[in-house]
Amino acid sequence: YDLTQPLAVSVALGQTATITCVGDDIRSKNVHWYQQRPGQAPKLVIHKDSTRPSGISERFSGSIASISGNTATLTISRVEAEDEADYFCQVWEINAYVFGAGTKVTVL
Amino acid sequence: EEQLAESGGGLVQPGGSLRLSCEASGFSFESYTMNWVRQRPGKGLEWLSWISTTSSLQYYADSVKGRFTISRDNAKNSLYLQMTSLRHDDTATYFCARDVRRGEFSVGAFDVWGRGAMVTVSS
Repeated sequence: YDLTQPLAVSVALGQTATITCVGDDIRSKNVHWYQQRPGQAPKLVIHKDSTRPSGISERFSGSIASISGNTATLTISRVEAEDEADYFCQVWEINAYVFGAGTKVTVL
Repeated sequence: EEQLAESGGGLVQPGGSLRLSCEASGFSFESYTMNWVRQRPGKGLEWLSWISTTSSLQYYADSVKGRFTISRDNAKNSLYLQMTSLRHDDTATYFCARDVRRGEFSVGAFDVWGRGAMVTVSS
C-alpha cells in the first residue's frame, strides 16, 4: 500500500498551506499526520482524519476528499514561521503501518 | 509528563547485532501498544514493528522481518528491539512510539515519541 505526498510545498507567511496524501480508498482508513522539525522527533498533529490532539493549534485541520475518496489533506491556516517542517501522513493497512514519504513545507 | 527514552544505539559492524531499549515514564505502559520507527539520514519515517500490550501479538515490516524482534517487559516499563544481521542500510535513528489509545490491540496514531537512538552499521 502506497501513500503519495508532494515532495515540497511553499507558502507565504500568513497564508494557507495544503498538503495532500493520496492512497487507494484512503477514506476507508484512519489517516494520521505528523510534523517533524529538523533534529526533533515527529509530533502528532492530526489523527483519525481530522481530530486534533490536545495542545495542537486549531490552525491545523485534516480532511478526506468526499468525491474521490483517495485523498487526505492536511491544511495549515495562517501559516507561521514555526510551521516550517516535514509533514508525514500515516495509515494502518493489513498488519502494517504505512507512512507517506513526507512533504517539506517552506515558509516564505 | 509522559515520556519515552531510547538507549542502546551505537556503531556496529555489518552482520552484527544490537539491542535497543525504550524506557517509558509518566503513564501506564502496560495499557498501550508500542512501536518502533526508524529514519535513515535525510529520509522519511519507516515503521518497523508493533507489539500488543501483553506481547501476545507482534507485527513487522517486511524490511526487518526475520532479523528484528520486538519485545516488552511491562514490569520494567520497557520496550526492546533486538536487531540481528545488521546491514549498512539499517543505519538510522530509531524511535519508539506509543499508541494514542489504550487497548490490547490498538493500532491508532503515535502520540508519544522518544528522542531517538542512532544506529550506525559500518566496518
